[in-house]
Amino acid sequence: DTGVSQDPRHKITKRGQNVTFRCDPISEHNRLYWYRQTLGQGPEFLTYFQNEAQLEKSRLLSDRFSAERPKGSFSTLEIQRTEQGDSAMYLCASSFGPYGSHELTDSYNEQFFGPGTRLTVL
Amino acid sequence: AQSVSQHNHHVILSEAASLELGCNYSYGGTVNLFWYVQYPGQHLQLLLKYFSGDPLVKGIKGFEAEFIKSKFSFNLRKPSVQWSDTAEYFCAVNAPYGGATNKLIFGTGTLLAVQP
Repeated sequence: DTGVSQDPRHKITKRGQNVTFRCDPISEHNRLYWYRQTLGQGPEFLTYFQNEAQLEKSRLLSDRFSAERPKGSFSTLEIQRTEQGDSAMYLCASSFGPYGSHELTDSYNEQFFGPGTRLTVL
Repeated sequence: AQSVSQHNHHVILSEAASLELGCNYSYGGTVNLFWYVQYPGQHLQLLLKYFSGDPLVKGIKGFEAEFIKSKFSFNLRKPSVQWSDTAEYFCAVNAPYGGATNKLIFGTGTLLAVQP
């Protein structure tokens, strides 16, 4: 499968624990996005990378959340001191865009989504 | 800030019925518009997209959507639904020149159930 992959698919943790999720984008994609989806809602943007640079972060991303993409390929999302309100599906998406530009054209910004990691905080 | 409204949260149709799902967005500038679909147990997939040109866009599986700029709408349609169209449908918008860069703003989704 050459699509976006995420690991783990499910994570159950106790409140206060730290968790880390991984996303492997489509190999030629230089842009990577994290979204969060709670029950009955659409995905909400968390953060965006172009190559290894984190270019945008949502206000939803509190200090307990950190994301990295060290080599411009896979990305990790870490949540420290988890709270019950962090329970959600965490989605990763990737797309291809021109280097050094946020410009969007017909062939860009089609974001391909992974299967998500479902986090349950007890 | 941009937002997307999907007015129908749950829709139940019989096979062969026509479908129209509403989507309205709030943003006055240039937008790119998308419909994503999530079939049971599967991940989000792009159904169709509008960037520019003909406001009537055709997607996969017989779906189409019409962009009406004056109404800030991008409604999804299908003339005859099938049981296999049972899924959750999300409208999304991106405002490439409004400082929002690449992020997608999603609506809350519409759960479609098609009865055989």
